[in-house]
Amino acid sequence: DGGITQSPKYLFRKEGQNVTLSCEQNLNHDAMYWYRQDPGQGLRLIYYSQIVNDFQKGDIAEGYSVSREKKESFPLTVTSAQKNPTAFYLCASSIMVSDYGYTFGSGTRLTVV
Amino acid sequence: AQKVTQAQTEISVVEKEDVTLDCVYETRDTTYYLFWYKQPPSGELVFLIRRNSFDEQNEISGRYSWNFQKSTSSFNFTITASQVVDSAVYFCASPNFGNEKLTFGTGTRLTIIP
Repeated sequence: DGGITQSPKYLFRKEGQNVTLSCEQNLNHDAMYWYRQDPGQGLRLIYYSQIVNDFQKGDIAEGYSVSREKKESFPLTVTSAQKNPTAFYLCASSIMVSDYGYTFGSGTRLTVV
Repeated sequence: AQKVTQAQTEISVVEKEDVTLDCVYETRDTTYYLFWYKQPPSGELVFLIRRNSFDEQNEISGRYSWNFQKSTSSFNFTITASQVVDSAVYFCASPNFGNEKLTFGTGTRLTIIP
Protein backbone atom coordinates (compact mmCIF):
# COMPACT_ATOMS: atom_id res chain seq x y z
CA ASP A 1 0.00 0.00 0.00
CA GLY A 2 1.20 3.49 -0.76
CA GLY A 3 1.82 5.90 2.04
CA ILE A 4 4.23 7.99 4.05
CA THR A 5 6.53 6.44 6.60
CA GLN A 6 8.05 8.48 9.37
CA SER A 7 10.70 7.04 11.61
CA PRO A 8 11.34 6.71 14.40
CA LYS A 9 8.03 7.11 16.17
CA TYR A 10 9.73 8.32 19.34
CA LEU A 11 13.13 9.98 19.53
CA PHE A 12 15.14 11.24 22.46
CA ARG A 13 17.93 13.73 22.02
CA LYS A 14 20.48 15.12 24.38
CA GLU A 15 20.93 18.84 24.43
CA GLY A 16 23.52 19.99 21.92
CA GLN A 17 23.05 17.05 19.57
CA ASN A 18 21.79 17.09 16.02
CA VAL A 19 19.14 14.53 15.15
CA THR A 20 17.58 13.51 11.83
CA LEU A 21 13.96 12.54 11.33
CA SER A 22 13.16 10.32 8.40
CA CYS A 23 10.26 10.76 5.99
CA GLU A 24 9.77 8.42 3.04
CA GLN A 25 6.84 8.23 0.62
CA ASN A 26 5.97 5.80 -2.16
CA LEU A 27 3.03 7.78 -3.50
CA ASN A 28 5.03 9.39 -6.32
CA HIS A 29 4.15 12.80 -4.92
CA ASP A 30 6.27 15.75 -6.01
CA ALA A 31 5.73 17.95 -2.97
CA MET A 32 6.72 17.18 0.62
CA TYR A 33 6.32 19.13 3.84
CA TRP A 34 7.49 19.20 7.45
CA TYR A 35 5.31 20.56 10.24
CA ARG A 36 5.90 21.03 13.93
CA GLN A 37 3.10 20.69 16.49
CA ASP A 38 3.48 21.67 20.13
CA PRO A 39 1.09 20.30 22.77
CA GLY A 40 -2.37 21.75 22.36
CA GLN A 41 -1.25 23.84 19.42
CA GLY A 42 -1.81 23.92 15.69
CA LEU A 43 0.54 23.07 12.85
CA ARG A 44 3.51 25.24 11.97
CA LEU A 45 5.34 24.79 8.67
CA ILE A 46 9.10 24.23 8.92
CA TYR A 47 10.21 23.48 5.36
CA TYR A 48 8.66 22.30 2.13
CA SER A 49 9.89 21.00 -1.19
CA GLN A 50 8.03 20.98 -4.46
CA ILE A 51 10.67 19.21 -6.56
CA VAL A 52 13.88 17.26 -6.07
CA ASN A 53 16.91 19.34 -5.11
CA ASP A 54 14.80 22.34 -4.19
CA PHE A 55 13.14 23.41 -0.94
CA GLN A 56 11.77 26.52 0.72
CA LYS A 57 11.69 27.77 4.28
CA GLY A 58 8.39 27.77 6.07
CA ASP A 59 7.36 29.88 9.02
CA ILE A 60 9.78 28.42 11.60
CA ALA A 61 12.85 27.18 9.68
CA GLU A 62 15.47 28.46 12.12
CA GLY A 63 17.36 25.61 13.76
CA TYR A 64 16.26 23.06 11.16
CA SER A 65 17.70 21.81 7.89
CA VAL A 66 16.40 19.55 5.11
CA SER A 67 17.52 17.87 1.93
CA ARG A 68 15.65 16.53 -1.08
CA GLU A 69 18.01 14.33 -3.03
CA LYS A 70 15.35 11.82 -4.01
CA LYS A 71 11.69 12.25 -4.79
CA GLU A 72 10.75 9.68 -2.16
CA SER A 73 12.72 11.12 0.74
CA PHE A 74 12.66 14.39 2.68
CA PRO A 75 14.68 14.07 5.91
CA LEU A 76 14.57 16.79 8.56
CA THR A 77 17.57 17.55 10.76
CA VAL A 78 16.96 19.26 14.05
CA THR A 79 20.19 21.03 14.86
CA SER A 80 21.62 22.15 18.17
CA ALA A 81 20.65 25.70 17.17
CA GLN A 82 17.00 24.81 17.72
CA LYS A 83 16.55 25.90 21.33
CA ASN A 84 13.27 24.20 22.05
CA PRO A 85 13.03 21.11 19.84
CA THR A 86 10.69 19.01 21.98
CA ALA A 87 7.58 18.64 19.83
CA PHE A 88 5.59 16.38 17.54
CA TYR A 89 6.84 16.44 13.94
CA LEU A 90 4.60 15.61 11.01
CA CYS A 91 5.65 14.95 7.44
CA ALA A 92 3.21 15.28 4.55
CA SER A 93 3.20 14.93 0.80
CA SER A 94 0.98 16.04 -2.03
CA ILE A 95 0.50 15.39 -5.72
CA MET A 96 -1.43 18.62 -6.17
CA VAL A 97 -2.18 20.75 -3.13
CA SER A 98 -4.92 22.77 -4.79
CA ASP A 99 -7.03 19.72 -5.58
CA TYR A 100 -5.97 16.96 -3.22
CA GLY A 101 -4.47 18.50 -0.11
CA TYR A 102 -1.97 16.44 1.84
CA THR A 103 -1.32 12.87 2.86
CA PHE A 104 0.29 12.77 6.30
CA GLY A 105 2.71 10.42 7.99
CA SER A 106 2.12 9.15 11.51
CA GLY A 107 4.56 11.57 13.10
CA THR A 108 7.71 11.52 15.23
CA ARG A 109 7.65 12.64 18.82
CA LEU A 110 10.98 14.25 19.72
CA THR A 111 11.98 14.80 23.32
CA VAL A 112 15.11 16.53 24.56
CA VAL A 113 16.51 14.90 27.67
CA ALA B 1 -7.11 30.63 1.28
CA GLN B 2 -5.13 33.42 2.76
CA LYS B 3 -6.60 32.76 6.17
CA VAL B 4 -8.57 29.97 7.82
CA THR B 5 -10.24 30.62 11.16
CA GLN B 6 -11.54 28.07 13.62
CA ALA B 7 -12.84 30.18 16.45
CA GLN B 8 -13.77 27.24 18.68
CA THR B 9 -10.67 26.12 20.53
CA GLU B 10 -12.29 23.35 22.55
CA ILE B 11 -15.73 21.79 22.60
CA SER B 12 -17.10 19.15 24.94
CA VAL B 13 -20.41 17.39 24.42
CA VAL B 14 -22.08 14.39 25.94
CA GLU B 15 -22.16 11.26 23.83
CA LYS B 16 -25.03 11.08 21.34
CA GLU B 17 -25.37 14.85 21.15
CA ASP B 18 -24.89 16.62 17.82
CA VAL B 19 -21.99 19.03 17.48
CA THR B 20 -20.94 21.54 14.83
CA LEU B 21 -17.39 22.70 14.24
CA ASP B 22 -17.04 26.06 12.54
CA CYS B 23 -14.60 27.07 9.83
CA VAL B 24 -14.39 30.49 8.17
CA TYR B 25 -11.96 31.24 5.36
CA GLU B 26 -10.68 34.24 3.44
CA THR B 27 -9.53 33.89 -0.14
CA ARG B 28 -8.84 35.93 -3.27
CA ASP B 29 -9.14 32.85 -5.45
CA THR B 30 -12.25 32.38 -7.56
CA THR B 31 -12.00 28.61 -7.46
CA TYR B 32 -10.60 26.69 -4.54
CA TYR B 33 -10.87 23.59 -2.44
CA LEU B 34 -11.55 23.29 1.26
CA PHE B 35 -10.50 20.38 3.45
CA TRP B 36 -11.21 18.89 6.85
CA TYR B 37 -8.74 16.65 8.68
CA LYS B 38 -9.10 14.68 11.92
CA GLN B 39 -6.22 14.19 14.35
CA PRO B 40 -7.02 11.43 16.85
CA PRO B 41 -4.88 10.96 19.97
CA SER B 42 -2.47 8.79 17.98
CA GLY B 43 -1.33 11.96 16.19
CA GLU B 44 -1.66 11.23 12.49
CA LEU B 45 -3.88 13.60 10.53
CA VAL B 46 -6.57 11.77 8.64
CA PHE B 47 -8.27 13.26 5.61
CA LEU B 48 -12.05 13.59 5.99
CA ILE B 49 -13.35 15.58 3.05
CA ARG B 50 -12.54 18.06 0.31
CA ARG B 51 -15.02 20.40 -1.33
CA ASN B 52 -14.72 22.45 -4.50
CA SER B 53 -15.97 26.03 -4.42
CA PHE B 54 -18.22 25.31 -7.37
CA ASP B 55 -20.22 22.78 -5.42
CA GLU B 56 -22.24 24.26 -2.58
CA GLN B 57 -24.38 21.22 -1.96
CA ASN B 58 -24.15 19.82 1.51
CA GLU B 59 -22.19 16.61 1.84
CA ILE B 60 -23.24 13.76 4.11
CA SER B 61 -21.20 10.72 5.00
CA GLY B 62 -22.77 8.60 7.68
CA ARG B 63 -22.88 10.66 10.87
CA TYR B 64 -20.74 13.39 9.31
CA SER B 65 -22.08 16.28 7.28
CA TRP B 66 -20.57 19.44 5.88
CA ASN B 67 -22.25 22.74 5.13
CA PHE B 68 -20.45 24.94 2.61
CA GLN B 69 -21.72 28.49 2.16
CA LYS B 70 -19.79 30.86 -0.11
CA SER B 71 -21.97 33.78 0.94
CA THR B 72 -20.59 33.58 4.48
CA SER B 73 -17.21 32.01 3.55
CA SER B 74 -17.90 29.12 5.87
CA PHE B 75 -17.37 25.38 5.68
CA ASN B 76 -18.85 23.92 8.84
CA PHE B 77 -18.67 20.30 9.97
CA THR B 78 -21.44 18.57 11.91
CA ILE B 79 -21.27 15.25 13.72
CA THR B 80 -24.64 13.78 14.60
CA ALA B 81 -25.12 11.31 17.42
CA SER B 82 -21.54 11.82 18.56
CA GLN B 83 -19.47 8.91 19.84
CA VAL B 84 -16.41 8.70 22.05
CA VAL B 85 -14.32 7.74 18.99
CA ASP B 86 -15.05 11.18 17.57
CA SER B 87 -12.85 12.72 20.26
CA ALA B 88 -10.00 14.34 18.35
CA VAL B 89 -8.63 17.62 17.08
CA TYR B 90 -10.22 18.71 13.83
CA PHE B 91 -8.49 21.01 11.35
CA CYS B 92 -9.98 22.96 8.48
CA ALA B 93 -7.60 23.85 5.64
CA SER B 94 -7.39 25.41 2.20
CA PRO B 95 -4.58 25.93 -0.33
CA ASN B 96 -2.71 29.21 -0.03
CA PHE B 97 -2.65 31.79 -2.81
CA GLY B 98 -0.25 30.15 -5.24
CA ASN B 99 -1.35 26.64 -4.30
CA GLU B 100 2.03 25.65 -2.88
CA LYS B 101 0.82 24.55 0.54
CA LEU B 102 -2.21 24.29 2.78
CA THR B 103 -3.26 27.04 5.14
CA PHE B 104 -4.59 25.42 8.31
CA GLY B 105 -6.90 26.72 10.97
CA THR B 106 -5.71 26.43 14.54
CA GLY B 107 -7.87 23.37 15.13
CA THR B 108 -10.80 22.54 17.39
CA ARG B 109 -10.33 19.97 20.14
CA LEU B 110 -13.52 17.94 20.44
CA THR B 111 -14.13 15.83 23.54
CA ILE B 112 -17.06 13.45 23.67
CA ILE B 113 -18.04 12.65 27.24
CA PRO B 114 -19.35 9.12 27.76
